[in-house]
Amino acid sequence: DVKVTQSSRYLVKRTGEKVFLECVQDMDHENMFWYRQDPGLGLRLIYFSYDVKMKEKGDIPEGYSVSREKKERFSLILESASTNQTSMYLCASSPDTGELFFGEGSRLTVL
Amino acid sequence: KNQVEQSPQSLIILEGKNCTLQCNYTVSPFSNLRWYKQDTGRGPVSLTIMTFSENTKSNGRYTATLDADTKQSSLHITASQLSDSASYICVVSDYKLSFGAGTTVTVRA
Repeated sequence: DVKVTQSSRYLVKRTGEKVFLECVQDMDHENMFWYRQDPGLGLRLIYFSYDVKMKEKGDIPEGYSVSREKKERFSLILESASTNQTSMYLCASSPDTGELFFGEGSRLTVL
Repeated sequence: KNQVEQSPQSLIILEGKNCTLQCNYTVSPFSNLRWYKQDTGRGPVSLTIMTFSENTKSNGRYTATLDADTKQSSLHITASQLSDSASYICVVSDYKLSFGAGTTVTVRA
């Protein structure tokens, strides 16, 4: 069965802290994505990666960075968390067909 | 302005009843349209995917329709169950994915 695992379901951090969100997929997919989801808005793409060590900015990359050192792992980094980064973060992977497989989400609260 | 608009924003239905969700889009050119179901606190799960040449696609009690001329899609839920309570997200693809804000469905016993 397809599996995308996000390491933390719930996090509470303070303003200015560095935050790591980890995502691992076991499907050998080339493509991986990070989205954030806020009430009343559709999912918004932060960054995506189509290969190891490759990354592309999405629609809202400001304040975020990513790392993909291995094919199965895609990390989202908030260098200095701010309150407006409080959100649900969703990781997804996809094969070349384009169908997205999502993780369970990581709900981040920044105080 | 979002290129994918979903309506209604939310709805409440009684168990056993049917309902229809709407998705209007302006994305062009169009590659495919997908519907996802997202349970509260979980990640979205794919229900259907349709290319521009398909009019209807079913997945159990879920039936999606597509009118590529009017750029409208609908998701029909038949004989709703409590487990259908979720957010339903319409996603339209050209060279990138555009997400609707979702419709929250609550099924009451």
